[in-house]
Amino acid sequence: GDSVTQMEGPVTLSEEACLTINCTYTATGYPSLFWYVQYPGEGLQLLLKATKADDKGSNKGFEATYRKETTSFHLEKGSVQVSDSAVYFCALKNPPHGSSNTGKLIFGQGTTLQVKP
Amino acid sequence: ETGVTQTPRHLVMGMTNKKSLKCEQHLGHNAMYWYKQSAKKPLELMFVYNFKEQTENNSVPSRFSPECPNSSHLFLHLHTLQPEDSALYLCASSRWGETSSYNEQFFGPGTRLTVL
Repeated sequence: GDSVTQMEGPVTLSEEACLTINCTYTATGYPSLFWYVQYPGEGLQLLLKATKADDKGSNKGFEATYRKETTSFHLEKGSVQVSDSAVYFCALKNPPHGSSNTGKLIFGQGTTLQVKP
Repeated sequence: ETGVTQTPRHLVMGMTNKKSLKCEQHLGHNAMYWYKQSAKKPLELMFVYNFKEQTENNSVPSRFSPECPNSSHLFLHLHTLQPEDSALYLCASSRWGETSSYNEQFFGPGTRLTVL
């Protein structure tokens, strides 16, 4: 079945360091890909998305490029801040099929990012 | 209130108790979801409701019983739980459309459940 694999955390960085969180996926179709972020004590928020190959999603300085050839969607940021400390989830969703658009997201296990001043 | 709210935020219960989790969305959505978030595991989709009708049940044990009385409210009734059911339970909502490639899901802050 479809699945998402993320690098294990926690990832600990100093402020202004570069960030990469790896994400690879297995899917039978042509999924849309997402990164969600969960700040302490809060629910998940959509950070960015890409719906087709070579698309680049970006938001708040974060970027991720949909790489079909490597089935990857790595999250990157050039300079992290303490406020970026959170858990990051990579997810996929296959396109709707007929009337069965369940909106089902398949998540990775999450990667905790800790940014120190 | 705006967005998706969940109550209570924390719940401790014994294995013989009966309790309920509540979720409410103020976004005009018509689809609602329950997820289970356990440490170091991917989020697990438990139930999906579309226009108050349950459209998905991912082999969830019967000790978890969902209820969706209208498109704004979703409950998860709990009884005779096990310690391994301790987790963060997240509710989400979205629009529902057959032709949309993606309808963003908006999540609540979750209920942290501890089963003793």
